[in-house]
Amino acid sequence: GQSLEQPSEVTAVEGAIVQINCTYQTSGFYGLSWYQQHDGGAPTFLSYNGLDGLEETGRFSSFLSRSDSYGYLLLQELQMKDSASYFCAVRGPDNLFFGTGTRLTVIP
Amino acid sequence: DTGVSQNPRHKITKRGQNVTFRCDPISEHNRLYWYRQTLGQGPEFLTYFQNEAQLEKSRLLSDRFSAERPKGSFSTLEIQRTEQGDSAMYLCASRGDLYEQYFGPGTRLTVT
Repeated sequence: GQSLEQPSEVTAVEGAIVQINCTYQTSGFYGLSWYQQHDGGAPTFLSYNGLDGLEETGRFSSFLSRSDSYGYLLLQELQMKDSASYFCAVRGPDNLFFGTGTRLTVIP
Repeated sequence: DTGVSQNPRHKITKRGQNVTFRCDPISEHNRLYWYRQTLGQGPEFLTYFQNEAQLEKSRLLSDRFSAERPKGSFSTLEIQRTEQGDSAMYLCASRGDLYEQYFGPGTRLTVT
């Protein structure tokens, strides 16, 4: 089977840095993706790690350690608009298996 | 707007009725996915098409659910004899050669 664990809620201050962790158990692992979803909106792609290490895309960075079955999403210079749900998702050969998401609230 | 469209955006139906949703993916994307999402959960994979071939179906997809992609372009998802437990957001996503899936806005189904 497959399982992912991520914190259900995180609160952070505008301008700060926040890290959202994700641990997974799965067979047939190809990589770890991160998606953002605002209330009432569709998931939008943020980042993908196929290999160990750090991927940086603007204010967002994502890290993967395959040996530890662990990854994280790092959000820097938080803005109010970053308040949303963030999902890690394990990529299999033909699909994505999503976690239950972390709801990030950015406060002034 | 990701370029993936879904219709209708909202559907209210009575238990036992059949419903059909449509997804129009990004035109050059040959891979198309259907997911279901309930409140407070992540999207759950339902089925996957590459061109017109349905290559994978989740065990979540009961016999009441059927999906088609007849010409390798748009796709339809039909639910027969709807049940209250089918109430959810149904999301469609398409993918090209890269890893990123582009999601449509979803169809919110309410079964009364």
